[in-house]
Amino acid sequence: AQSVTQLGSHVSVSEGALVLLRCNYSSSVPPYLFWYVQYPNQGLQLLLKYTSAATLVKGINGFEAEFKKSETSFHLTKPSAHMSDAAEYFCAVSGTNDYKLSFGAGTTVTVRA
Amino acid sequence: DADVTQTPRNRITKTGKRIMLECSQTKGHDRMYWYRQDPGLGLRLIYYSFDVKDINKGEISDGYSVSRQAQAKFSLSLESAIPNQTALYFCATSDSVGGGEDETQYFGPGTRLLVL
Repeated sequence: AQSVTQLGSHVSVSEGALVLLRCNYSSSVPPYLFWYVQYPNQGLQLLLKYTSAATLVKGINGFEAEFKKSETSFHLTKPSAHMSDAAEYFCAVSGTNDYKLSFGAGTTVTVRA
Repeated sequence: DADVTQTPRNRITKTGKRIMLECSQTKGHDRMYWYRQDPGLGLRLIYYSFDVKDINKGEISDGYSVSRQAQAKFSLSLESAIPNQTALYFCATSDSVGGGEDETQYFGPGTRLLVL
C-alpha cells in the first residue's frame, strides 16, 4: 500500500520568496509521485510527476520537485512566489502498475504582497 | 471544450433523496475514477473503473454506487443521501495505453454537493 504525508496544512509566503511544500511517501514498491494544484473553484491540475527517470523533476509555472529515496521525500519548491501561486497543493503516490492515486491532505499556500 | 465534464456543478438535496452525479470525457481514456474531497482529508477514492465491464470499490464506497454506461461516461449515485456525504466530488480519467509510466489522472471541475 502507498500513502503520502504532507507536512503543514497551510503555508504563507511573501511574494518573491521561496515556496517549499513538504511531502513524504510510504510505498512498498517503487513509487510514482505527483504534485497537483487546485486553484479556487477549479479541479486539480498536474504540476509535475516523478516516474523513475530523473530525480529532479521540473513542472509547470516554475515549480520543481526532487525525489529522494533515502529520505522518502518528494518536496515541491519554487524559487520566487507569485501572487498567482495562491492555491491548494496536493502530493499523491501510486505504485508501479497500480493505477490508483493516494493523496495527501493538501497544503494551502497564501502569498502576501 | 473541457476534456472532463461533470454535471451538475452544484447540487443541494435533502436527506434520503437519491441523487446522481455524471461525468463525461472526450479524452478517449479507458480508466475513470470518482473521488470526494473534504477539508483536511485530501481526496479519497470512492470507485474506479478500468473499462466498461470493470468496476472496483475504492476506500470509501459505502453509501455510493456507480455505473459505467460507456467508455466516456461514469456516473456516481447516492441511493439515499445523508448529511455526511456533503463534499466536493471529482471525476478523473487516465489512459492505460501509456503504460505504467503514464499514471497521470485528469480531473473534472468538480460537483459541490450539499445534503441537508
